This record gives sequence, C-alpha cells and structure tokens, in this order.
Amino acid sequence: GAVVSQHPSWVICKSGTSVKIECRSLDFQATTMFWYRQFPKQSLMLMATSNEGSKATYEQGVEKDKFLINHASLTLSTLTVTSAHPEDSSFYICSARGDSPYEQYFGPGTRLTVT
Amino acid sequence: DAKTTQPPSMDCAEGRAANLPCNHSTISGNEYVYWYRQIHSQGPQYIIHGLKNNETNEMASLIITEDRKSSTLILPHATLRDTAVYYCIVRLSGNTPLVFGKGTRLSVIA
Repeated sequence: GAVVSQHPSWVICKSGTSVKIECRSLDFQATTMFWYRQFPKQSLMLMATSNEGSKATYEQGVEKDKFLINHASLTLSTLTVTSAHPEDSSFYICSARGDSPYEQYFGPGTRLTVT
Repeated sequence: DAKTTQPPSMDCAEGRAANLPCNHSTISGNEYVYWYRQIHSQGPQYIIHGLKNNETNEMASLIITEDRKSSTLILPHATLRDTAVYYCIVRLSGNTPLVFGKGTRLSVIA
C-alpha cells in the first residue's frame, strides 16, 4: 500500500513553454501533498506544501507564479512549471501524506530538461 | 539549517552490518527521528522512525541514545541494493514536512 505515482517520469521541453507534472496517491487519500526539487548531487529541497482544496504554501525563494500547484482532489496534485528556462531543469519529486501524521510517501520523481 | 549531522559517505562490505550514525543534539522532546533512503534517480523510501525507544522493522533497526542527541540506523546484512543516500531527519509529528539534509552516501561493496 501507500503508493504515490508521478507522470511523466521524464520530460523535455523548449525554453518558454509550460510543463505540467501530475502526482497521484493510488491507494490512499492524501490530505497533504508536498513538492520537492533536487539538482544533481544535491539533496531534496522543499518547494511547497498543499492541502486539498486550499492554496499551496510556498517555501521562501520559490516563485508561486512560476510553479503553479493545484491540489483539487484527495488523490491528485499537479505542478505546472510556467515559462520554463534551462535553470528549471531538475528532478521534481512529489510526496503525499494521508491520515497518519507520521507517514509521508514519495513518488518516483520526474526529470525535467529544458532546452 | 540542518538539524542533523551525518558523515558524507561510508562503505560497507556486502553481508556485513551497516551502521549509519546521526547527530541531532538540538532535538526537542516531541521531535521524532526519521530515516529515509534514496537510491539513484528514485524518490526517497521510508525506512523507520522513532521517538525515544529503539525500533526494528523488516528493513532496519533504529537505536536512539538515552539523551536522544544521536541515533544509529543499522542494516543488519547489507546487500548491493542497499547502496543509496541515507537521510536522517528530525521533525515534529503533525503537519510539518520532511526537510532533508545532505545525508550519508552508503556504498555496499562486494
């Protein structure tokens, strides 16, 4: 149980375009979802926290107008990278928490390359 | 702002126990110790967590010192598939997200 999926697993896009990444909790209802970003040879950096039906809370330094997060249902959250630039190329990982505050499950990640 | 300190890398022989240390000297009484690992190009995988008692599951054991200022994750019989970056994280229960430090890169050697 407690499976989190992401789609796509990898994507290449041209600079200036927008890319949407989906995160789904497959066998539980995720009241809270988190988005992380990871650059090569670095640790995961928390970007934002979203609760179902409310606006996401972004970490300091993360542009909310550039990284649009929607958590419209208890099983789906999306991250849209708008007007992508090469420096947005990274590994994006979502995470979901259900009813238990002790457990946070991670998706397999999406590798974004902006050319 | 990392609340934990881990060695950057460790090696372990296949079949031997891997003991990964973590210092968390500023941990507060209601903060839990969590361990996750990340195999290359994958999402982090939950291993174990604890508050003050030692914990064991099918993957590992967590030993927390009596003063809670440090802990050790033990993989009893390391295999090549245990090669990964291991993250020790302290956090409150509830709605606080997991914040990752730099972790320890464990290399299991045949």
